[in-house]
This record gives sequence, structure tokens and C-alpha cells, in this order.
Amino acid sequence: AQKVTQAQTEISVVEKEDVTLDCVYETRDTTYYLFWYKQPPSGELVFLIRRNSFDEQNEISGRYSWNFQKSTSSFNFTITASQVVDSAVYFCALSGLSGGYQKVTFGTGTKLQVIP
Amino acid sequence: GAVVSQHPSRVICKSGTSVKIECRSLDFQATTMFWYRQFPKQSLMLMATSNEGSKATYEQGVEKDKFLINHASLTLSTLTVTSAHPEDSSFYICSARGRGVMEAFFGQGTRLTVV
Repeated sequence: AQKVTQAQTEISVVEKEDVTLDCVYETRDTTYYLFWYKQPPSGELVFLIRRNSFDEQNEISGRYSWNFQKSTSSFNFTITASQVVDSAVYFCALSGLSGGYQKVTFGTGTKLQVIP
Repeated sequence: GAVVSQHPSRVICKSGTSVKIECRSLDFQATTMFWYRQFPKQSLMLMATSNEGSKATYEQGVEKDKFLINHASLTLSTLTVTSAHPEDSSFYICSARGRGVMEAFFGQGTRLTVV
């Protein structure tokens, strides 16, 4: 069984602050993929990143960075110098080998509000 | 990223009627399409997975006779909510994935309101 936990339901930060969104996952698969998606108020899901379970290197893309720690089964997402446009719901997700990578399990999402 | 177009974005229908939602991959061939349902302030729940040319695989608890899924071509999948009831009101969102590609790209979603 797969499970993704995003303990933070809602976070509010003031613009330009850094913010970290937590994601903890559970899976019996040794091979799996982790994802982050952004869902702005308009509703569509925007793909942000995919990480293979064998690749524990952290990644930085502009103001976004991701910290993958296999030892703690966490895949946290940090936004540096947050902006109002970052306001959205962010979902962490997992897809494992046992499901043929077909089934993606989503966390419950973290709603981020960036206050100007 | 690849483009997935979902239509309509919003629909209001009367109780007892059926409504069809389309999901199209515009610039790639979608060998697999997924349909999700999202209740307000909740996560996405997978309803079914469909591979082109074959019957959809439904998740436990999803009524296949109520939520008809057709994936007739590599660029189009449809979800038909039959005999809709107010409790079917929700946000439905599709995603599509090409052969050998791990990322699934999402449509814009459809907000269904049954009155």
C-alpha cells in the first residue's frame, strides 16, 4: 500500500519569506517515483518535479528546491523568497513499481497563502 | 510540458441527466489516461485508469455503470456521469501519460454541479 502524508494543511507566509512544505511517504516498493504538483485557484494541476527513488540528489530550480531523504521517507519542497503567485495548493504524490507506476497516490495537499 | 485539454471547465446539469466530460492530449499520444475526483479541500482520488483500446480499470468503490469511461483513441478519453445526482457534484480532473513517460499531465478539470 502507498501513502503520502502532508501534515501541513494550510500555511501562510509573508511575501519574500522562505517556506518549506513537508511530505512523508510510505511504500513497500523499492523503486518508486515522487512528484510535486501545484494547483492554483483555477484548478488545473501543474507538474513541478519528478524524483526517482534511486536519485537522492537534491534539486534546485529557480526559487524552488526539493530535499529527498530516503532515510526518513521525506520529500520536502522549499520555496525561497515566496511570491503572491506561489499561492496555491501543493500536492505531493507517489507512484510505485508494484502498480506498474500507473497508480499515483496523492497527499491531502498543503494550501499555501503568500500575503503581500 | 505536454498539453492536456479538458472540456467543459464547468457544467451544471439537472438531477437525473447525464453529462460527458472530454479529455484530450493535444501534442502527444496518451496511451494511458486517468480520471480523478476531488471534493472541496480534499485530495485527488483516482476513479479509473484507461488504456487506449481497452476497458477502463475502476478503483474500488467506483461504480463503473455510473461513471462510463471511453478511451477510443490515443488522444481522447471521455467520462460520462450517468443519471447524475447532487452527490456527484465535484471537481473531475483527467490526466494523460504517453508511452514510456513517467509524468502524467493534467487537464484543467471540470467542476460539475448537479441541481
